[in-house]
Amino acid sequence: QQQVKQSPQSLIVQKGGISIINCAYENTAFDYFPWYQQFPGKGPALLIAIRPDVSEKKEGRFTISFNKSAKQFSLHIMDSQPGDSATYFCAASMRTGRRALTFGSGTRLQVQP
Amino acid sequence: GAVVSQHPSRVICKSGTSVKIECRSLDFQATTMFWYRQFPKQSLMLMATSNEGSKATYEQGVEKDKFLINHASLTLSTLTVTSAHPEDSSFYICSAKGTGLDEKLFFGSGTQLSVL
Repeated sequence: QQQVKQSPQSLIVQKGGISIINCAYENTAFDYFPWYQQFPGKGPALLIAIRPDVSEKKEGRFTISFNKSAKQFSLHIMDSQPGDSATYFCAASMRTGRRALTFGSGTRLQVQP
Repeated sequence: GAVVSQHPSRVICKSGTSVKIECRSLDFQATTMFWYRQFPKQSLMLMATSNEGSKATYEQGVEKDKFLINHASLTLSTLTVTSAHPEDSSFYICSAKGTGLDEKLFFGSGTQLSVL
């Protein structure tokens, strides 16, 4: 599988702050970039996703920024809340072919009250 | 969003036994299902891709005879871990993609397998 690199590995943010998680990919054939949130013992839940034809997508407190030339994308969580404490995974896939997601290594976010 | 049901959520078995995990798409037809494996504090690693009515495609390093996948209908895929050993203990997660749902993949809640 092609690699998707994610950073940081862990992140501590104060309540109300902005959480920023970054990902970089190598395969230029990737054309779908979702972010997933996972709580312990649960499956990942889709948060937000973007295609490379747009540079930013916002849904509520979650924003994806996408830089096609740099092959990077990031997740911004505005007004972070303790309930946002979870592990976040970026991922990438192709709309043609197998379409399986390749996941980043994950970021454990802790939002302190 | 679409719902993917995975059962059981947790299973403990003895070494050498087989365990079957079911993954069902409840409100859509899943043309493709993916099985992932996740070790503690690690990312999800794709094990295999299954398409309804055809043989599964396994990732490199995944034993076909050990991890049997059946996708007999558009709403059900099963993963059977045969002759399980302690090193097979892991969190197994299925995901499903349906027609008309664009690229979105929906995940089951996962199955924690513990082999004693």
